[in-house]
Amino acid sequence: YELTQPPSVSVSPGQPARISCSGDPLPNHYAYWYQQKPGQAPVLVIYKDTERPSGIPERFSGSSSGTTVTLTISGVQAEDEADYYCQSADSNGSSWVFGGGTKLTVL
Amino acid sequence: QVQLQESSPGLVKPSETLSLTCNVSGYSTSSGLYWGWVRQPPGKGLEWIGSILHSGTVYYNPSLKSRVSISVDTSKNQFSLKLRSVTAADTAVYYCASREPSEFIYWYFDLWGRGTLVTVSS
Repeated sequence: YELTQPPSVSVSPGQPARISCSGDPLPNHYAYWYQQKPGQAPVLVIYKDTERPSGIPERFSGSSSGTTVTLTISGVQAEDEADYYCQSADSNGSSWVFGGGTKLTVL
Repeated sequence: QVQLQESSPGLVKPSETLSLTCNVSGYSTSSGLYWGWVRQPPGKGLEWIGSILHSGTVYYNPSLKSRVSISVDTSKNQFSLKLRSVTAADTAVYYCASREPSEFIYWYFDLWGRGTLVTVSS
């Protein structure tokens, strides 16, 4: 299956950024979000649709509705400029998929 | 603190086998939930290659299944990736990845190596 993300999102500093991820399995399987800055490994920012790992700023949040999950960054900062990837997997971990990625530009 | 570090073969010739090892420190590979590999071609997105579970069960991306194998060596506290018959399309940064120790089995990676660029070229 596939997860579909917009290629790019642009926001001004202090404004909210919303990045969507759509896929048929999402109502039945959790989604996860990663942030990747140039030359660095991905970092998990949201797990199980809405949970935030320790150390991730509170401005990062996740939501889910039907076949779409959304990563929201409230009050975007310059340091949030990065690529963001959603990911999901089936119930026994036998099949994983990443979305194509969204480049977040802070204007 | 758990850390993952990929070995660095750098350059592999077309039709040969790409071999990578991920050295694990701060945690035992015999205790981990699962270990996996993800790759990223230059300028492109992430692609899951496969995962090996604590049970020994291995799952692969269907698009690579015929050429890939993943294994764990608990005596050396490392896990490995082999990709056979490589072509230029296999040129990518390869990441090893895993989970922090947890009693909950959800399918994501919260531990990543720094990644290593593997170039396929003659």
